[in-house]
Amino acid sequence: RKEVEQDPGPFNVPEGATVAFNCTYSNSASQSFFWYRQDCRKEPKLLMSVYSSGNEDGRFTAQLNRASQYISLLIRDSKLSDSATYLCVVKWSGTYKYIFGTGTRLKVLA
Amino acid sequence: NAGVTQTPKFQVLKTGQSMTLQCAQDMNHEYMSWYRQDPGMGLRLIHYSVGAGITDQGEVPNGYNVSRSTTEDFPLRLLSAAPSQTSVYFCASSSATSGSYEQYFGPGTRLTVT
Repeated sequence: RKEVEQDPGPFNVPEGATVAFNCTYSNSASQSFFWYRQDCRKEPKLLMSVYSSGNEDGRFTAQLNRASQYISLLIRDSKLSDSATYLCVVKWSGTYKYIFGTGTRLKVLA
Repeated sequence: NAGVTQTPKFQVLKTGQSMTLQCAQDMNHEYMSWYRQDPGMGLRLIHYSVGAGITDQGEVPNGYNVSRSTTEDFPLRLLSAAPSQTSVYFCASSSATSGSYEQYFGPGTRLTVT
């Protein structure tokens, strides 16, 4: 089993739709969780950290479920500009090791 | 405040050549790392450093060397380039001081080895 797993997609959704991605992780000692956005041939950019109580930033909501070992990202009112690959990243407790998922591709269609 | 910078943006090498990829950050982050990204694969850690003078191997260190003489700079050296090292290389930095551990990435170096 991969340490961090994501559905590669692509998720094709119309503008204005709500879309959700999940990411599962295998190491229960994982400490910190992040969602990054990566546009084609560009560097990953931090979208948001994921906190235990869940957190929201505008149209984006992140949730953490430690019991089931997954994190989720919800995007409301999708925009064309949301089209990108979304990377799930997990940092192990007590280390500086970050594990990246292979990403979920999102295409928002006009 | 430039964040994380990398040079060069593009590079073509012949098999057996050596070169150094440069990475610098101006955020006073103690942690810096090098990743490679290949199609269909997640970012894989090559080497990392938790502070000046301290480096360690990541998941795929073979064929690469690093050093960290200052907080700001973390160069990656390819000793004898091979076609398998054709990839996109990203440098990243983060700080544990704030407790957030958020990583920030440079724009990447696209390397082709022929």
